[in-house]
Amino acid sequence: QKEVEQNSGPLSVPEGAIASLNCTYSDRGSQSFFWYRQYSGKSPELIMFIYSNGDKEDGRFTAQLNKASQYVSLLIRDSQPSDSATYLCAVFLYNFNKFYFGSGTKLNVKP
Amino acid sequence: DVKVTQSSRYLVKRTGEKVFLECVQDMDHENMFWYRQDPGLGLRLIYFSYDVKMKEKGDIPEGYSVSREKKERFSLILESASTNQTSMYLCASSFSVDRASYEQYFGPGTRLTVT
Repeated sequence: QKEVEQNSGPLSVPEGAIASLNCTYSDRGSQSFFWYRQYSGKSPELIMFIYSNGDKEDGRFTAQLNKASQYVSLLIRDSQPSDSATYLCAVFLYNFNKFYFGSGTKLNVKP
Repeated sequence: DVKVTQSSRYLVKRTGEKVFLECVQDMDHENMFWYRQDPGLGLRLIYFSYDVKMKEKGDIPEGYSVSREKKERFSLILESASTNQTSMYLCASSFSVDRASYEQYFGPGTRLTVT
């Protein structure tokens, strides 16, 4: 079982809709959670991080963390074609001092 | 803004050559990382370093070595390049407090082709 699991997609949403990206993790010792956006041929770019249960909002982006259910999600409101990219979920395990990245979910926002 | 730079965006080398990939960060981060990214395999950690002259193996260290002589610079070395090392190489750095590592920032990547 992988430490971090993401649906590879592609997830297709129309412009203006809410895109919901999900990530599950296996280790309950995970303490920090991150979402990265990666355009084709480019390097990952940090979008958000979340450490506590609940929601964290930043502009059109909301990260949601549920440690009891071991999932973290990213909501993108008012999706734009420029949001089309692969979104990587990452977790940090303090006990192992290691980051684990998911394989990413490809998002397509159709005009 | 955090800036992580890598010495080359594109590199073409021949099988058996020794290859050096350089990474520099300007934010005084303790941690630095080298990954490779291949289609369908995601990001895989090669090595990381949490302090000068310190290094730890990641998930796929075979065929690679690293060097960290200064805090801001982390080098990846392919001792004898092989075609299966053709990949996108990504360097990252992060701040650390009491061993807890914060978010990683990535460089632009080096696309290495070994022929």
